[in-house]
Amino acid sequence: DTGVSQNPRHKITKRGQNVTFRCDPISEHNRLYWYRQTLGQGPEFLTYFQNEAQLEKSRLLSDRFSAERPKGSFSTLEIQRTEQGDSAMYLCASSNRGSPLHFGNGTRLTVT
Amino acid sequence: KQEVTQIPAALSVPEGENLVLNCSFTDSAIYNLQWFRQDPGKGLTSLLLIQSSQREQTSGRLNASLDKSSGRSTLYIAASQPGDSATYLCAAPGSYNTDKLIFGTGTRLQVFP
Repeated sequence: DTGVSQNPRHKITKRGQNVTFRCDPISEHNRLYWYRQTLGQGPEFLTYFQNEAQLEKSRLLSDRFSAERPKGSFSTLEIQRTEQGDSAMYLCASSNRGSPLHFGNGTRLTVT
Repeated sequence: KQEVTQIPAALSVPEGENLVLNCSFTDSAIYNLQWFRQDPGKGLTSLLLIQSSQREQTSGRLNASLDKSSGRSTLYIAASQPGDSATYLCAAPGSYNTDKLIFGTGTRLQVFP
């Protein structure tokens, strides 16, 4: 069990650019979650997968955000045409149903 | 719609004190509740998970209770230490039939020597 791994740790991009983040979950976990966190707030749900199926997506998420989990293994989160309001920590977590969530250390996105 | 609230928002105590952190939730049709710890700039670490059929869960100096009928959970930290300084977050499922967790805004704890 090597834990949940997220890459990159930090990403600085200019407004309007596209960015992609990767998450490698704990291998035996079938659920994978994406959250976004801003300073002083709790994590905000974005989307989650059971194996390769995307089961739920936040209604707050604009069409600029898309996530995939091909073959039910790693996942990618893409943000198109980034805006300054997208600046946040993007957290990935994995689990099996009913068991504790295991989080990665996040990707910190700064949009200039 | 599930909403999770944590009180207090911040707490500063001397080493050795026993602490109580509070979490309340609006939708009591939950199947579990989780407590997490977050250190600055890091991800969240799971501390305790309480199933809806349980009233308490203990791990070392930590004890979490769950009262679904009143929509409350409490995290008790015994004999606090400076290493306990962190933000503590609770999270409840959005509804009975989803794995989506709704988080509170956390309690920022500082334990000074």
